[in-house]
Order: sequence, then C-alpha cells, then structure tokens
Amino acid sequence: GNSVTQMEGPVTLSEEAFLTINCTYTATGYPSLFWYVQYPGEGLQLLLKATKADDKGSNKGFEATYRKETTSFHLEKGSVQVSDSAVYFCALTPPSGYSTLTFGKGTMLLVSP
Amino acid sequence: NAGVMQNPRHLVRRRGQEARLRCSPMKGHSHVYWYRQLPEEGLKFMVYLQKENIIDESGMPKERFSAEFPKEGPSILRIQQVVRGDSAAYFCASSFGNTGELFFGEGSRLTVL
Repeated sequence: GNSVTQMEGPVTLSEEAFLTINCTYTATGYPSLFWYVQYPGEGLQLLLKATKADDKGSNKGFEATYRKETTSFHLEKGSVQVSDSAVYFCALTPPSGYSTLTFGKGTMLLVSP
Repeated sequence: NAGVMQNPRHLVRRRGQEARLRCSPMKGHSHVYWYRQLPEEGLKFMVYLQKENIIDESGMPKERFSAEFPKEGPSILRIQQVVRGDSAAYFCASSFGNTGELFFGEGSRLTVL
C-alpha cells in the first residue's frame, strides 16, 4: 500500500536558519506529492505540491523537489521565521483512482527568535 | 467565500453516548473527506463521500462509526456508544474535484470522559 515517512520532530531552529524536513514515500507508479502545514489550533493548509518527477513545488519561500529515483520530497527553506513554527505534513495521492491523501505523521517545527 | 466549516469545535461526551460532528464544505465543492488525528500521530483517512454517496470508507471502523453527505445539508460523522479511545481531533476536508488539493476545516475535538 501507499505510505509516507517523515523525520521525527520536533525540529528546533533559530530564526534565519536553513530548514530541511525529510520525506520519503512508498507508492506504485507516480503519485502526486504534497506538503501541508498546520498552525496551532487550526486545520491543515496546502503549502505546495508536485505532480510529476523532477517537478519543484514552491510557496512562501518553501521548496520541495519530486525525486523519483530516491522516492523523496524533502521540504526546504533557506531562512526560517518564528511565524513558520507549525506542524508540517508530507502527503501523497495515488496516480489514479480517488485523490484520498495519505499523510505522514507530521514534523513539528519550532523557530526561536 | 467561507471555508470548510466544522461544528462543534469542541465536544465532550461520556462513554456510551453518541457524538455527531458536522461539516459544511466550501461552496461549490462536492467531495468531502473525514480524517482523524490522534495525539502523537498523523492524520488517518476515514471516509470519502460525494453527494449522497460513500465512495471509500476503508479507513472507518466497521462498528459504531457512520458517515453521510445528504443532498441538502452538511456532512455528518456519527460515532455511537463512544469510548475513550475515540478521543481525537476529527478533520473534515473538501475538494472541487479529484486533484488531491483538499481544503480543511479547523477540526472538531472530541473528548470522551
């Protein structure tokens, strides 16, 4: 079946540090890949996505590249802010059929001033 | 343009009671998904519905849980005879089509005493 594995958190960084949150997946074929973000007390919001190999999704300074050869979709940001503190979820949908998202367990990011 | 609306935001029930969680999708969206988030875990898919139809309920426990999305009105997730293990945050999401881009509500947090 489909699955997503994320690095465990929390990830604790100082403001302006470089961020990487690792995500690898298991799926048949070419799934679509997503990063969602959940701020405290809120629902999830789509952060970025990529639908085919070598695509790069980007939004709000965050980037992730779809790597088919390593089945990875690592999230990066060059300079984090305190307001980026949240839980980040990597997710996938299968290449065909229903677009039911399969999520990783989430990685909490804590950014201190 | 209102987002996905869930209510109640917080619900407390005693063991054996029933819990009903409501979800109004975004305007124009006909696909509704329910996810459960347990402490220290990611989001687990429960059920996917379109108007008047259950498309995929593979993630929903076979007993005590049911979901509907009637022609008129919100989607309802119903949990009968609740137990302490049902305590969790239940998130509803909606989408316009089959793209994997889901819009989430703020969640309903169920506490079973």
